[in-house]
Amino acid sequence: SQQGEEDPQALSIQEGENATMNCSYKTSINNLQWYRQNSGRGLVHLILIRSNEREKHSGRLRVTLDTSKKSSSLLITASRAADTASYFCATVNTGGFKTIFGAGTRLFVKA
Amino acid sequence: NAGVTQTPKFQVLKTGQSMTLQCAQDMNHNSMYWYRQDPGMGLRLIYYSASEGTTDKGEVPNGYNVSRLNKREFSLRLESAAPSQTSVYFCASSARDPLSYEQYFGPGTRLTVT
Repeated sequence: SQQGEEDPQALSIQEGENATMNCSYKTSINNLQWYRQNSGRGLVHLILIRSNEREKHSGRLRVTLDTSKKSSSLLITASRAADTASYFCATVNTGGFKTIFGAGTRLFVKA
Repeated sequence: NAGVTQTPKFQVLKTGQSMTLQCAQDMNHNSMYWYRQDPGMGLRLIYYSASEGTTDKGEVPNGYNVSRLNKREFSLRLESAAPSQTSVYFCASSARDPLSYEQYFGPGTRLTVT
């Protein structure tokens, strides 16, 4: 069964707008990671946030984590056409090796 | 530095045939993983190898076997392919465990079983 569930399933925005994707999960986690997948390619790691962190930034990316609500959000600011991709959250439990991926949010940024 | 490489890129099998998917990494990573991705879904872990000489089942191991040949290579074998195994298969590696280290993914193998 999937641990992470992303919302929305698909998102279409104009270049320059911000994009927000949400992820919910079910069990206790050690950390939560976000990955990007361009069409037909492997996943690329974007950012990792640990369970004792609430917010993290990397360039145009901002990730928040609310362990009480078992949810995370990924914000991409000033989006570009090149940001068009699928975005997946992945949770890692205390066992350490079993990473569980959600079904992803498909982002389309119109130029 | 090629990262994670996978062969083949595409494969078509008939039901009941067998094949081995190859994966190699040149980043001196300890841990390696095999995932499958079905249309419109996220990745599901098939098997992983925490370190050379060890392998463990993931979420969907049935119908698959793996071999950690050495630190660089981790292969996935389908002994008797079934249409339900039609999917895109990704290999990944990480320095150690995902508690601290991100995973690096290969380009994938698209497998169709007819």
